[in-house]
Amino acid sequence: GQQVMQIPQYQHVQEGEDFTTYCNSSTTLSNIQWYKQRPGGHPVFLIQLVKSGEVKKQKRLTFQFGEAKKNSSLHITATQTTDVGTYFCAGLEGYSTLTFGKGTMLLVSP
Amino acid sequence: EAGVAQSPRYKIIEKRQSVAFWCNPISGHATLYWYQQILGQGPKLLIQFQNNGVVDDSQLPKDRFSAERLKGVDSTLKIQPAKLEDSAVYLCASSPGTVINQPQHFGDGTRLSIL
Repeated sequence: GQQVMQIPQYQHVQEGEDFTTYCNSSTTLSNIQWYKQRPGGHPVFLIQLVKSGEVKKQKRLTFQFGEAKKNSSLHITATQTTDVGTYFCAGLEGYSTLTFGKGTMLLVSP
Repeated sequence: EAGVAQSPRYKIIEKRQSVAFWCNPISGHATLYWYQQILGQGPKLLIQFQNNGVVDDSQLPKDRFSAERLKGVDSTLKIQPAKLEDSAVYLCASSPGTVINQPQHFGDGTRLSIL
């Protein structure tokens, strides 16, 4: 079955440093979604990428979808303490259901 | 708009007991999902409904888990009997329409502890 892997599992940065998490799928995806889950909270939708090579930005967050539509990345520029949480990618293969990765936990020290 | 409502927030039971969770999706959302999230992992889909029909329940352990969405609105998920490995947060999510690639809106979840 479809597998979605994320690296790193955990990253601790100083406020102001950049952060990147990577998502890799075992199969070609029709689209990929990114969610953020704050400690003790529920996943919150951030963005969806559909096109090969697509790049989308949300303020300090940059999302990319690979040319082969098998990988994606989320980059945060100049992290803030409000960025703390676990970032999940979720891949959709064809018209099947979303498969979530295990997430990357981000800790930001002031 | 009101978000996805779930109850209870917490539940502690002993193994072999039964438990039920309730979810009320965002008004008008046709698709409803139940996920299991074990500590340190991503949400794992258990079952997906479109209106009151099941779209995907391939990962639902049907010998002990059941779910229904009788009127196409709210839904219940039941575990009977519970096992220790069922300790997890059970998340309900909903999305508008019937197209799979729409953003999902999650509830706060029910944290289940099995003793």
